[in-house]
Amino acid sequence: EDQVTQSPEALRLQEGESSSLNCSYTVSGLRGLFWYRQDPGKGPEFLFTLYSAGEEKEKERLKATLTKKESFLHITAPKPEDSATYLCAVQALRTDKLIFGTGTRLQVFP
Amino acid sequence: DAGVIQSPRHEVTEMGQEVTLRCKPISGHDYLFWYRQTMMRGLELLIYFNNNVPIDDSGMPEDRFSAKMPNASFSTLKIQPSEPRDSAVYFCASSLPNQPQHFGDGTRLSIL
Repeated sequence: EDQVTQSPEALRLQEGESSSLNCSYTVSGLRGLFWYRQDPGKGPEFLFTLYSAGEEKEKERLKATLTKKESFLHITAPKPEDSATYLCAVQALRTDKLIFGTGTRLQVFP
Repeated sequence: DAGVIQSPRHEVTEMGQEVTLRCKPISGHDYLFWYRQTMMRGLELLIYFNNNVPIDDSGMPEDRFSAKMPNASFSTLKIQPSEPRDSAVYFCASSLPNQPQHFGDGTRLSIL
């Protein structure tokens, strides 16, 4: 069964304190791994898609990496506006469905 | 550029009543997805459509739930009769083939 586990559940960082969020997955053939950001009262907002082990993508202070078993979302020198829940999802081959993890709630305080 | 539009944003109703949630996907998107989000279970796919045809409804909890997509610009998710355990945030998302899904801002449903 395809499965996604995210850790930690919650993370508190001081502004400027870099850290990483983890997404471990099992899937019967990976078509893509997705990272989304969700703000309170809003829908998930797409950040990145990764397709194969070794791939990396960057956007401002965020960098996503992928191995055969997990993905990391690295946050460099975070700011309070980076506070949100970060969701990871996988899509298996031959399907259009996404399987989501339960997310990491990130708080960055000044 | 309009995103996915969902209505209503909030719905409070009594147990046993019929609830209808509405979604307008992004114009031109072939795929439409309905999700439910709760604290305990996170974001779960209920059903998705391709070109207005339901493809996979294996996530629909039970017969009380039904979804339709009468045309490319409109979909509904109906719960009849509603129960307190149906309380959650329901999201609609749409996408092009092999492209990321774009989500609406959801409907927060409370069943008393």
